[in-house]
Amino acid sequence: QQQVKQSPQSLIVQKGGIPIINCAYENTAFDYFPWYQQFPGKGPALLIAIRPDVSEKKEGRFTISFNKSAKQFSLHIMDSQPGDSATYFCAARLTDSWGKLQFGAGTQVVVTP
Amino acid sequence: NAGVTQTPKFRVLKTGQSMTLLCAQDMNHEYMYWYRQDPGMGLRLIHYSVGEGTTAKGEVPDGYNVSRLKKQNFLLGLESAAPSQTSVYFCASSYSRAQYFGPGTRLTVL
Repeated sequence: QQQVKQSPQSLIVQKGGIPIINCAYENTAFDYFPWYQQFPGKGPALLIAIRPDVSEKKEGRFTISFNKSAKQFSLHIMDSQPGDSATYFCAARLTDSWGKLQFGAGTQVVVTP
Repeated sequence: NAGVTQTPKFRVLKTGQSMTLLCAQDMNHEYMYWYRQDPGMGLRLIHYSVGEGTTAKGEVPDGYNVSRLKKQNFLLGLESAAPSQTSVYFCASSYSRAQYFGPGTRLTVL
């Protein structure tokens, strides 16, 4: 039973488009929401993260939007590039859980030239 | 800094064989984790450790054992491998919120 539900499973956008990946959770005890980027054959790498008391965070072309009341958060990739083609995972950390993360199932993003 | 390293990178086992995967980190992190990654299922936590000499079960611990004899190393053992353990295994370490992952070990059990 996945505590963090991620959608879509995959998406294809043209260069310059804005892929949007959505995640939803039920447990209100989550206190940290990171996104990871994974290229084929590599380990996941931390991309950007947000706390639940913040509604939006931007780092370069990556933006997280967080809706605490709806228990949803999303990743937007602005001006997407072919090099952004990767699998993206959202995650959530339970308070006082020794840093353990619950991961979404992942979204494969393909950015075409 | 090498970060988090894992050995081996690839391994093929026959059903019933045993093996140990090694994870090492040079960031002086207290927390370490072992995950498995299967298509469409994200990353699932197998075991974790909150410090040298301590280990605990994660979401999918059956068939695996772990040890953390030194702070920098976290070992994952399969005593009797099964085809259901065919997967990609990732180790991660953390000092607070962010987890840093190794490059993974691709294990095939025939």
